[in-house]
Amino acid sequence: DIQLTQSPSFLSASVGDRVTITCRASQGISSYLAWYQQKPGKAPKLLIYAASTLQSGVPSRFSGSGSGTEFTLTISSLQPEDFATYYCQQLNSYPPEWTFGQGTKVEIK
Amino acid sequence: QVQLQESGPGLVKPSQTLSLTCTVSGGSISSGDYYWSWIRQPPGKGLEWIGYIYYSGSTYYNPSLKSRVTISVDTSKNQFSLKLSSVTAADTAVYYCARGVVVPAAMSPWGQGTLVTVSS
Repeated sequence: DIQLTQSPSFLSASVGDRVTITCRASQGISSYLAWYQQKPGKAPKLLIYAASTLQSGVPSRFSGSGSGTEFTLTISSLQPEDFATYYCQQLNSYPPEWTFGQGTKVEIK
Repeated sequence: QVQLQESGPGLVKPSQTLSLTCTVSGGSISSGDYYWSWIRQPPGKGLEWIGYIYYSGSTYYNPSLKSRVTISVDTSKNQFSLKLSSVTAADTAVYYCARGVVVPAAMSPWGQGTLVTVSS
């Protein structure tokens, strides 16, 4: 089974900072990797799909890149509303299982 | 736009069966190449995919839960449901339903989630 490992697990940053979160797959996967943002008490929200495509309505300060086994989510200038937990996710082709990374919590420094 | 809403008991006794329903509004559960999914999140922990059902009735479950999970669909009510048997305290979690798309392998939208506590 493919495992997704995010780093770091916890990140302390200030408003305006550039933030990068990495998601590594245990083996090569397609570019069909997604990123989600989850705020306390809320459902996850899709930010990016297919590794780099911004979901409609998501601010352009969010971007994604990567292929193979390493993917990144970048927030170019952290805003107060961006403090949340971020998850990566992929779908195995076979067996057809969805897998999530363990999450990265972004907190205010 | 499509919206999903979970419903069901918030408290289940150990060894009993957890039952939840997800109602889909704003679109037909039978249309499109979607995988109607259940995901859970124990308090303070990460997301765990439980399983999904295709509108035709085909299912696939997380191997770690497979022996206890059943997901079904009722297209006439535009709903899909989750049953998790023989629950323990470890099954206490917020349960989400979501619409999954194989290409490009993403889930959106999600329901708001419902907390299910397993306790006597």
